[in-house]
Amino acid sequence: GENVEQHPSTLSVQEGDSAVIKCTYSDSASNYFPWYKQELGKGPQLIIDIRSNVGEKKDQRIAVTLNKTAKHFSLHITETQPEDSAVYFCAATWMEGAQKLVFGQGTRLTINP
Amino acid sequence: GAVVSQHPSRVICKSGTSVKIECRSLDFQATTMFWYRQFPKKSLMLMATSNEGSKATYEQGVEKDKFLINHASLTLSTLTVTSAHPEDSSFYICSGARSGYGYTFGSGTRLTVV
Repeated sequence: GENVEQHPSTLSVQEGDSAVIKCTYSDSASNYFPWYKQELGKGPQLIIDIRSNVGEKKDQRIAVTLNKTAKHFSLHITETQPEDSAVYFCAATWMEGAQKLVFGQGTRLTINP
Repeated sequence: GAVVSQHPSRVICKSGTSVKIECRSLDFQATTMFWYRQFPKKSLMLMATSNEGSKATYEQGVEKDKFLINHASLTLSTLTVTSAHPEDSSFYICSGARSGYGYTFGSGTRLTVV
């Protein structure tokens, strides 16, 4: 079955700097890769996703890149702000919406003012 | 965007009693509902997958008689924790999904069994 590894487990950056979180997956059949932000005591919220037919996607300060050959994808947050502090999860699945998501272990991102 | 409303947000119950958690998809029809459990500082652990009108499929190690899942309609799914014990205390999260349209998570339920 699919296995997703996420690194680092914690990340601390200065406000205004960039943050990068990386994930690798094992199942080459996976074709949908969402990223979620989870704040304390709340459910995960989708911040960006990418499907296997594209290599990069950007939404304002957030971008995701996908390397299907190497089976890894990364989240990039630029110009970080204190409100970006949260836990971020990557996930993968081979049938979007119909099959379970396999989650990474999570990254606790802290933005230092 | 798609919204899944999850209630209650917090519940405290006595050991031995049952607790029901509800998830409603407000503006879309969730053909599949996923139920997760999350321990502090850990990732989401899938408990079961339910498709509307079908019996839920439970992950290995999850007691189906303890965690009863009902997905009677495309907009409502419930998780009932039966005969709850302190070790069942956790954060429970549902996620509604429709093929090709991603996953929408509820806000979570903090269950404390005393």
